[in-house]
Amino acid sequence: DIQMTQSPSSLSASVGDRVTITCRASQSISTYLTWFQQKRGKAPKLLIYAASSLQSGVPSRFSGSGSGTDFTLTISSLQPEDFATYYCQQTYSTPFTFGPGTKVDIK
Amino acid sequence: QVQLVQSGAEVKKPGASVKVSCKASGYTFSNYEINWVRQATGQGLEWMGWMNPNSGYTGYALKFQGRVTITRNTSISTAYMELSSLRSEDAAVYYCARGARRLGAAFDIWGQGTMVTVSS
Repeated sequence: DIQMTQSPSSLSASVGDRVTITCRASQSISTYLTWFQQKRGKAPKLLIYAASSLQSGVPSRFSGSGSGTDFTLTISSLQPEDFATYYCQQTYSTPFTFGPGTKVDIK
Repeated sequence: QVQLVQSGAEVKKPGASVKVSCKASGYTFSNYEINWVRQATGQGLEWMGWMNPNSGYTGYALKFQGRVTITRNTSISTAYMELSSLRSEDAAVYYCARGARRLGAAFDIWGQGTMVTVSS
């Protein structure tokens, strides 16, 4: 199985801050990397697919980059509605494993 | 609109089975894979398995093989996930999610989740 790790596991930030979350795969997954946002009590929401493609309707302050084993999610200017937990997931091969999540809360 | 609507919360005893449904609407059911993901309270996301609704082909995470069965009824655009021999550790919210090959198999539409409680 491909193992996914994320760092940091949590972070505190202020509105307007630039936030970067890192995801690493245990082997190359090309660009089969997805980022989700999850708020308490809600289903995950797709933000970024294929490592860097912005899902329709997602604000442009979200961006993704990377290929192979190392990936990043960047929020260019954190907004109040962005406080949530973020997960990466690989869809290169089954089982489609998720990272452990990064919780972003208010500083 | 495109959506997946899941069945309601379940309470089961240890050793029992649970079957959760996931009804698709707003798109052609057979054109997209259905995945099942679970999340225990306060924990992360765990992929359980997937199904091609067109062929009925399924694949399961090794952890769940032998206990999970994913099926579908194409006439009503509904997928099902049945988990047997329930134990306390299976208490979680279970989600179905559509896999879109044009998006690199990303899960673009999710059901609202079904809470499964396992308690004697």
